[in-house]
Amino acid sequence: SYELTQPPSVSVSPGQTATISCSGNKLGDKYVSWYQQRPGQSPVLVIFQDIKRPAGISERFSGSSSGNTATLTITETQALDEADYYCQAWDTSPNWVFGGGTTLTVL
Amino acid sequence: EVQLVESGGDLVQPGGSLRLSCAAYDFTFSNSAMNWVRQAPGKGLEWVSSISITGSTKDYADSVKGRFTISRDNSKNTVYLQMNTLRGDDTAIYYCAKSRRAPDAFDVWGRGTMVTVSS
Repeated sequence: SYELTQPPSVSVSPGQTATISCSGNKLGDKYVSWYQQRPGQSPVLVIFQDIKRPAGISERFSGSSSGNTATLTITETQALDEADYYCQAWDTSPNWVFGGGTTLTVL
Repeated sequence: EVQLVESGGDLVQPGGSLRLSCAAYDFTFSNSAMNWVRQAPGKGLEWVSSISITGSTKDYADSVKGRFTISRDNSKNTVYLQMNTLRGDDTAIYYCAKSRRAPDAFDVWGRGTMVTVSS
């Protein structure tokens, strides 16, 4: 079955740029979405179709994808960006796959 | 306000059954594929099941296939998850999520409902 791999944790200083990777076989051939989940809250879609932002999502969030890796980039990182981030893609089996999640710490 | 509201979570014994509901508000439910995603305590997100707009196509994760059944009632703007033969590893928060039109992502999520399987 298809798998997506994320680093368990990423740390960044306030104001700096955070990058979170997501790897999977031929991931660049699939659409990748990213979700932010703050502690105790439901996930929120922040990137879809690799690079697009839903309405209301800060321009500081951007995405890219190529080859076997997709990347979520957060510029000018703030304390409120501390959260778990999950990538997601569609495959034939299982239909929807989530990465294991990355905890972003702003310190 | 566009929202999804789950209900039905409870404490149930191993081998028991439970039916979750998810009510949709302020969007055209009958035009949206719907999904269930779960999150075990302290763990990541796991896709559970999806249902197409008309309900004619239903998909399940291998971990729940044969035990869980997804359904929808477009007249009530509600999607359901019937869970049978529950096991301890089914313990999780169960989220209802709406698919984008594409459908390539889940753009609206509910707050979730907790299911605990324990004796």
